[in-house]
Amino acid sequence: DQQVKQNSPSLSVQEGRISILNCDYTNSMFDYFLWYKKYPAEGPTFLISISSIKDKNEDGRFTVFLNKSAKHLSLHIVPSQPGDSAVYFCAARAAGNNRKLIWGLGTSLAVNP
Amino acid sequence: NAGVTQTPKFRVLKTGQSMTLLCAQDMNHEYMYWYRQDPGMGLRLIHYSVGEGTTAKGEVPDGYNVSRLKKQNFLLGLESAAPSQTSVYFCASSPTFSNQPQHFGDGTRLSIL
Repeated sequence: DQQVKQNSPSLSVQEGRISILNCDYTNSMFDYFLWYKKYPAEGPTFLISISSIKDKNEDGRFTVFLNKSAKHLSLHIVPSQPGDSAVYFCAARAAGNNRKLIWGLGTSLAVNP
Repeated sequence: NAGVTQTPKFRVLKTGQSMTLLCAQDMNHEYMYWYRQDPGMGLRLIHYSVGEGTTAKGEVPDGYNVSRLKKQNFLLGLESAAPSQTSVYFCASSPTFSNQPQHFGDGTRLSIL
């Protein structure tokens, strides 16, 4: 039973355009959500996070939106750059759960020049 | 600033052999984690530690043991390796404070023949 779902295994966008990566979750106890980026042969790198008390968090070209009623979050990358090509993981943490994260399966983003 | 360092990066074992994976962090983080990543499965938590001398089971602890004798090190042991343990293993650490992201090492690729 997948509590964090990233339904698109891959996404391809043109350089300069917007990339939108989606994540759905089922556990209403999740209170903190994170996006990680992973390049081949490297470990995941933290990108951006959002608390459940917010509906938007922005950091440079990256914005995460949270829709609690729909149990949905999305990561927007504007403008997309070739260096953004990587696998993006959505992760979620339940309140009081010792910081254990539940991970989605990832979306592979390709940004074409 | 090394962050999280995993040793070794690659290893091939025969079924039944034992080995220890070492994780070291230089960020003075209290929490440390071991994950495995398999195709189509995302990241799954094996064991974790909330401080020196403590360990706890994650989602998939069977066949693994861990020790946290020093704050900066978290060891993952396979007593009798099985082909099902072929995977990429990631170590991560995080501070005590809530809503701080986990920092990952670059992984150990382990093949069990």
